Amino acid sequence: ILNVEQSPQSLHVQEGDSTNFTCSFPSSNFYALHWYRWETAKSPEALFVMTLNGDEKKKGRISATLNTKEGYSYLYIKGSQPEDSATYLCAFASGGSNYKLTFGKGTLLTVNP
Amino acid sequence: SAVISQKPSRDICQRGTSLTIQCQVDSQVTMMFWYRQQPGQSLTLIATANQGSEATYESGFVIDKFPISRPNLTFSTLTVSNMSPEDSSIYLCSGGGETQYFGPGTRLLVL
Repeated sequence: ILNVEQSPQSLHVQEGDSTNFTCSFPSSNFYALHWYRWETAKSPEALFVMTLNGDEKKKGRISATLNTKEGYSYLYIKGSQPEDSATYLCAFASGGSNYKLTFGKGTLLTVNP
Repeated sequence: SAVISQKPSRDICQRGTSLTIQCQVDSQVTMMFWYRQQPGQSLTLIATANQGSEATYESGFVIDKFPISRPNLTFSTLTVSNMSPEDSSIYLCSGGGETQYFGPGTRLLVL
């Protein structure tokens, strides 16, 4: 059974604060690590697909890093805005394919104006 | 990218009944999947919807309970059969390649 853990479970920050969350995953049989942003009643939005150890990706104020040897990824949000409020999910792909994803429970971020 | 829609968006059903959820993709995708998220749990893969053949189910999920159709490369259905309150979940379909795109989910409450 693959175990993907995310921490913290929830987080409240003030507008303008920078924040980060952690995703830990099995370091064996790694193929890719996915980050999604999920707002209530909307489709999960794909943020990043990361495959190489040491990968760093950036999309606006959001960035992510990947360490496949120790099995963790960090997601950073710089200068949080209320519209960043959402659940951030990471998902682990193994077995040579991106198709079957094992998800963590997510980190619920609330940004207070 | 792919845009995925699902119907219905939500439903309240009586135990013992069945509900069929539809998933439509705006472009042809090789792989389509069905997930569910029970309250307080992570998104869990139910099955891979294979076009032209039977779906491939993950451990703990069976065809009799979750029959799936995939008549073409843009459409799939998931039926939740003989529902019980434990089936109350969000059901999502996904499709794509290196990036998996998700529908907005179907929120199901079974009374």
